[in-house]
Amino acid sequence: QSALTQPPSVSGSPGQSVTISCTGTSDVGSYNRVSWYQQPPGTAPKLMIYEVGNRPSGVPDRFSGSKSGNTASLTISGLQAEDEADYYCSLYTSSSTVVFGGGTRLTVL
Amino acid sequence: QLQLQESGPGLVKPSETLSLTCTVSGDSISSSPYYWGWIRQPPGEGLEWIGTIYYRVRTYYNASLKSRVSISVDTSKNQFSLKLTSVTAADTAVYYCATMGTNGVSYGFDIWGQGTMVTVSS
Repeated sequence: QSALTQPPSVSGSPGQSVTISCTGTSDVGSYNRVSWYQQPPGTAPKLMIYEVGNRPSGVPDRFSGSKSGNTASLTISGLQAEDEADYYCSLYTSSSTVVFGGGTRLTVL
Repeated sequence: QLQLQESGPGLVKPSETLSLTCTVSGDSISSSPYYWGWIRQPPGEGLEWIGTIYYRVRTYYNASLKSRVSISVDTSKNQFSLKLTSVTAADTAVYYCATMGTNGVSYGFDIWGQGTMVTVSS
């Protein structure tokens, strides 16, 4: 299974934008099957982005996703205190398996 | 609105089998074209995909767990289940059930249970 690499932590001040990267192998670049999850402490993960750049109903448009080559990215604009959480990318592979990135802790300063 | 709820023992002895059930409400598991999956998270660590079942019989498992894991569907109870054999302390984690494919969402788990903590200890 392909591995997905995320930075351990990112931070930003309220109102700023932050971007979290997720780098994998050719499966990331070949298919639009990357998702992003938000997990505040002590809660279940919540899907924020699917198929690279699509938002499920109810997710604010401050959250956006993109991809360049084998790296997917999650950008949060207009950072708010409530955005502080762990963020995970995932990939649905060509073998119909799923792999998660190691997670990135977002701190709102 | 589809909802998921995990249930099962919170404590399992080493070398025994961990068994968890996920009860589906708000839709019929037998007629829903969704993927039903299990994901776990050891304390203080990241998410690990365990496996997924599709259309009740097609299963996909994490290669690192494949020899010990099985996922099945019980349509009469509207549930799907996880069994993990020969557990060790490394299997201690919060276990989540989740589903992929609802509400037009593809390739992402869009509905999750609240999670259940399982500790492996004698």
